[in-house]
Amino acid sequence: GQQVMQIPQYQHVQEGEDFTTYCNSSTTLSNIQWYKQRPGGHPVFLIQLVKSGEVKKQKRLTFQFGEAKKNSSLHITATQTTDVGTYFCAAGSNYQLIWGAGTKLIIKP
Amino acid sequence: EAEVAQSPRYKITEKSQAVAFWCDPISGHATLYWYRQILGQGPELLVQFQDESVVDDSQLPKDRFSAERLKGVDSTLKIQPAELGDSAMYLCASSLTDRGRSTEAFFGQGTRLTVV
Repeated sequence: GQQVMQIPQYQHVQEGEDFTTYCNSSTTLSNIQWYKQRPGGHPVFLIQLVKSGEVKKQKRLTFQFGEAKKNSSLHITATQTTDVGTYFCAAGSNYQLIWGAGTKLIIKP
Repeated sequence: EAEVAQSPRYKITEKSQAVAFWCDPISGHATLYWYRQILGQGPELLVQFQDESVVDDSQLPKDRFSAERLKGVDSTLKIQPAELGDSAMYLCASSLTDRGRSTEAFFGQGTRLTVV
């Protein structure tokens, strides 16, 4: 079945450093969604990208959808302790959502 | 703000026993998902409903798991008999469907199942 590869699995950063996670698919996607899950919590929707080459920003977060609609990235500028959690992409295909394995953001003390 | 309701929040059961989880999605959401999430991993889709119909249950272990959404509103997920490996968080989510495209999924707080 369709799969979405998300990398890296973990990223350790110092507070103030940047963070990026990537999602890749072998097939063209209808849309891609990003979610954040805090430790002990449930996934919370961040954003949905639909158009080829789309870029959206939410404060320090920048989301991109590739021109071929096969890949996407989430970039956080100047991480803060409140950014800690696991970030998931979920690719929309018809009625289905195909989830990546997530990237865990760890802030080094 | 509308929320997805799940109960119970926590469940401890002995192996070989039956266990059931309930989910009430956001009103008007046609799509309902049941996910299983093991600590440190991503959500794994167990079953997806569109109204009362099953859209995808390819990953549901049908020998022991069953799910229903009889009136296209709330849903129940059952495990019988429970096994030790079923210990996980069971998440319910719902979403609108816009012209065949999946839209933002809203998650409930989940049910933490421990099988002993």
